[in-house]
Amino acid sequence: GAVVSQHPSRVICKSGTSVKIECRSLDFQATTMFWYRQFPKQSLMLMATSNEGSKATYEQGVEKDKFLINHASLTLSTLTVTSAHPEDSSFYICSARGTAGGYTFGSGTRLTVV
Amino acid sequence: QKEVEQDPGPLSVPEGAIVSLNCTYSNSAFQYFMWYRQYSRKGPELLMYTYSSGNKEDGRFTAQVDKSSKYISLFIRDSQPSDSATYLCAMGSDSWGKFQFGAGTQVVVTP
Repeated sequence: GAVVSQHPSRVICKSGTSVKIECRSLDFQATTMFWYRQFPKQSLMLMATSNEGSKATYEQGVEKDKFLINHASLTLSTLTVTSAHPEDSSFYICSARGTAGGYTFGSGTRLTVV
Repeated sequence: QKEVEQDPGPLSVPEGAIVSLNCTYSNSAFQYFMWYRQYSRKGPELLMYTYSSGNKEDGRFTAQVDKSSKYISLFIRDSQPSDSATYLCAMGSDSWGKFQFGAGTQVVVTP
């Protein structure tokens, strides 16, 4: 079946630095990528939607200058958390939609900002 | 009122019992209904995918959708300790491709 590889699975960074998270669709073309964040014991909250070659569409309340999304190819999308702060510590998950429909989630990235 | 309501649990059942999970929703435009299983510190994995109303069965899992009542269910038969996880319902309409997730129900299957 469809697989989305997400890296890194876990990252610890210092406050004020930037962190890049990658999601790659391994055996299909991801026309749309969704980025979610999840706080402990809470559900997934959609942050932004990106289509290949277009600017991402951010959900209300999500700072686009802080969470930079790049979807430059049909197999790769990245989320960069810029100038990270402890409140950005969370579980970030991507979900890819292919040309045939259907959604596949990455395995998630646990970000801890210290 | 949230668009998707799901009891967070935890729901504890003995091994071999039937696990019954459900979600209610308010948006009548939803046509695609999904159930995901999420183990701790992992990404969700798709269990069941249903379009519109009806039942769908896959092994020990049965998903039901009742659009008239805006109610979906997931049943797990012959539950195993390995079924212990958080189960998330998700739904969306075809036109915009975004999902709305329930809060997730934590399920604990005890040996």
